[in-house]
Amino acid sequence: QVQLVQSGTEVKKPGSSVKVSCKASGDTFNNLIFAWVRQAPGQGLEWMGGITPIFGATKYAQQFKGRVTITADKSTSSAFMELSRLRSEDTAVYFCARVMLQGDTDWFDAWGQGTLVTVSS
Amino acid sequence: SSELTQDTAVSVALGQTVRITCQGDSLRSYYASWYQQKPGQAPVLVFYGKNNRPSGIPDRFSGSTSGDTASLTITGAQAEDEADYYCNSRDNSESHHYVFGPGTQVTVL
Repeated sequence: QVQLVQSGTEVKKPGSSVKVSCKASGDTFNNLIFAWVRQAPGQGLEWMGGITPIFGATKYAQQFKGRVTITADKSTSSAFMELSRLRSEDTAVYFCARVMLQGDTDWFDAWGQGTLVTVSS
Repeated sequence: SSELTQDTAVSVALGQTVRITCQGDSLRSYYASWYQQKPGQAPVLVFYGKNNRPSGIPDRFSGSTSGDTASLTITGAQAEDEADYYCNSRDNSESHHYVFGPGTQVTVL
């Protein structure tokens, strides 16, 4: 059973960047596909993008393109999400999740514990 | 991109049955997955695909799809089922992009 452990709480100034990590254990890293999902206070879940490390392929939601960069490092079994040009509306809990694919069915079967990012001057 | 719609909130009496629906064009092409989220916790997968329940999820959770609508049914709701429930599917307008529904708050009375 894969386990995902994320980095800790961050407080950032508007205009700066944040990089959140997600360390995986319990499965071969190259077998993993990661997604990043965020949740603003009192709001729903929002898919930001994802990465397939074995191919180095990334996908980004349109609303984050140009501001988000998702990477992975096999040596540390970790995925990373960096969000730049932060604004107050980016205050949210950021989750990583493992994506499973099977034909016309996709699902996120393991989640990190979440990382709170607060953007405040 | 695709959109999924859900009822904002539903309530169910203890031990009764509640169905949560999720509607969107992408569901004509891809199956939904469903997530339960309790306050302050990460989401938990409770059902996915045509008929798949993860290990450890009670069998009172079931799912179905018809046309552009996916449903999650809780048969014999328990107090611990009170939570927010989100549907998700692949976006049918962009390859391997995903979309979440806005979530349904389930209250067990």
